[in-house]
Amino acid sequence: TQLLEQSPQFLSIQEGENLTVYCNSSSVFSSLQWYRQEPGEGPVLLVTVVTGGEVKKLKRLTFQFGDARKDSSLHITAAQPGDTGLYLCAGVGGGSQGNLIFGKGTKLSVKP
Amino acid sequence: EAGVAQSPRYKIIEKRQSVAFWCNPISGHATLYWYQQILGQGPKLLIQFQNNGVVDDSQLPKDRFSAERLKGVDSTLKIQPAKLEDSAVYLCASSLRGGWDGYTFGSGTRLTVV
Repeated sequence: TQLLEQSPQFLSIQEGENLTVYCNSSSVFSSLQWYRQEPGEGPVLLVTVVTGGEVKKLKRLTFQFGDARKDSSLHITAAQPGDTGLYLCAGVGGGSQGNLIFGKGTKLSVKP
Repeated sequence: EAGVAQSPRYKIIEKRQSVAFWCNPISGHATLYWYQQILGQGPKLLIQFQNNGVVDDSQLPKDRFSAERLKGVDSTLKIQPAKLEDSAVYLCASSLRGGWDGYTFGSGTRLTVV
């Protein structure tokens, strides 16, 4: 069974601070995706990383895929209250179905 | 482009009652998913459709849950009879080909079973 472990589970910081959240697995994934979910809404896709060692930047967000394609990290620089939400990592499961397996998420709160 | 539409947004029912949720995916998306998200957890796949055929329903509690996707477009998910532990957000998502393309999620239906 492929599992994705996310840490930390909760994170509360002040506006302007930097933070990193992690997504780890014992399994290799062909690609990993990061989503952000705000209260009362569905998750929204932020980025897909495909190649081991890949780094992608989206404004103040930096995503990295581990060399072995078993882990990923999300770094936010100078966090803002608008970054508040649940950050979910998801990996494409094995088999031809191509469905996503989600981690439990990191709940981020950025206080002004 | 219109997003994934879900209804209702909220539903409160008593245990042992039945409930149905509706989803209209993005036009042209062949793949449709229903996920269950219990408070504090990540979404868990219940069922995956490719057009109007079921691709994966291995985690669907078939004694009480059923789903269909008539004509390969809209989909409904039904629970009968509901249990307290079914209280969760039910998310519908669609994708052009599959997980590799990423999903577009609807806003979900929050079900409370009392």
